[in-house]
Amino acid sequence: ETGVTQTPRHLVMGMTNKKSLKCEQHLGHNAMYWYKQSAKKPLELMFVYNFKEQTENNSVPSRFSPECPNSSHLFLHLHTLQPEDSALYLCASSQSQQGAGYTFGSGTRLTVV
Amino acid sequence: SQQGEEDPQALSIQEGENATMNCSYKTSINNLQWYRQNSGRGLVHLILIRSNEREKHSGRLRVTLDTSKKSSSLLITASRAADTASYFCANRSGRGLTFGEGTQLTVNP
Repeated sequence: ETGVTQTPRHLVMGMTNKKSLKCEQHLGHNAMYWYKQSAKKPLELMFVYNFKEQTENNSVPSRFSPECPNSSHLFLHLHTLQPEDSALYLCASSQSQQGAGYTFGSGTRLTVV
Repeated sequence: SQQGEEDPQALSIQEGENATMNCSYKTSINNLQWYRQNSGRGLVHLILIRSNEREKHSGRLRVTLDTSKKSSSLLITASRAADTASYFCANRSGRGLTFGEGTQLTVNP
């Protein structure tokens, strides 16, 4: 365990479903991130939260909706996804946004059918 | 645009050999970081080198940074089968880290 826990590990959902991914860290970090990793593509930064305020939305479609109720928890709400949204979704945290190393969770493998 | 680009894309070596991976980046940096990822898992932070450092060691890892050429290299000495993984360089772009496409390292026993 890295200290960043993601649930569920695997998720299969239909295009009309609504589901949520959860990320939790108890490392005392103040910044949290969502990344998408598709096959044969670099990791794509989706959202950045710093002290539970969203500081970056990297042109992510509105069918992905993040939520950060506190510095320890981060959610990614999913609705009306497309098959091309199938990917590994990774959560990470860091002490600050200023360039510290990131701690990643193990990811949620999402398949949209 | 992609900030980090690793080469080679894939590297296959025998156990005990050294592995060298290179990374180039486009913008100025405060630091550059290297991560590894085992198949289908999260990334693990390996080492961070600051822009005013030229070389850094951690166990069997050696990282160099050449800011004039905007490049970095990761050397793994005396490789082991357990080193088989993807290796990524990353630097901060905007509010978060930007990663390259990675080098897939295979160490054959």
